[in-house]
Amino acid sequence: QKEVEQNSGPLSVPEGAIASLNCTYSDRGSQSFFWYRQYSGKSPELIMFIYSNGDKEDGRFTAQLNKASQYVSLLIRDSQPSDSATYLCAVHNAGNMLTFGGGTRLMVKP
Amino acid sequence: NAGVTQTPKFRILKIGQSMTLQCTQDMNHNYMYWYRQDPGMGLKLIYYSVGAGITDKGEVPNGYNVSRSTTEDFPLRLELAAPSQTSVYFCASSEPGGAKGYTFGSGTRLTVV
Repeated sequence: QKEVEQNSGPLSVPEGAIASLNCTYSDRGSQSFFWYRQYSGKSPELIMFIYSNGDKEDGRFTAQLNKASQYVSLLIRDSQPSDSATYLCAVHNAGNMLTFGGGTRLMVKP
Repeated sequence: NAGVTQTPKFRILKIGQSMTLQCTQDMNHNYMYWYRQDPGMGLKLIYYSVGAGITDKGEVPNGYNVSRSTTEDFPLRLELAAPSQTSVYFCASSEPGGAKGYTFGSGTRLTVV
């Protein structure tokens, strides 16, 4: 069983819509959660992190964390074609390492 | 502020050749990591280091070696290159434990023919 699970996609949304990206994790002791964006041919770039249950907003991005359900999500409001990328969920685990999910490919269509 | 710098950006190797992928960071991070990413796949940890002189294996260490003589540098050595090592290699660094996330280098695209 993978420790961090993401739907590989592609997730296709029209421009201006809300994109919802989901991630589940298996380690109940995980405390920190990260979302990275990776454009094709580029390196992962940290866009959001969340430590506490609930929502955290940064511009058009909202990270949501539910530790009881072991679920973290990323919402992108007013999606733009420039948001088209692969989004990697990462979880900081008890081994003092980040475990990455396989990523969800997002396509925003004009 | 350079962050994490990787060289070279691209390289083509013949089967059986060896090479070293260079990684240096200027953020005074103790923790450093090497990942590989195959097309359409996630990141797989090759080796990591928690400080100068200390290295440990990750998920896919076979065919690779590392050293960490300074805080700044964490080179990855490929011995006897094989086609299965064709991949994109990313170096990353973090504060101790990585609880604030990792900073990635721009990657090295390696092809073994």
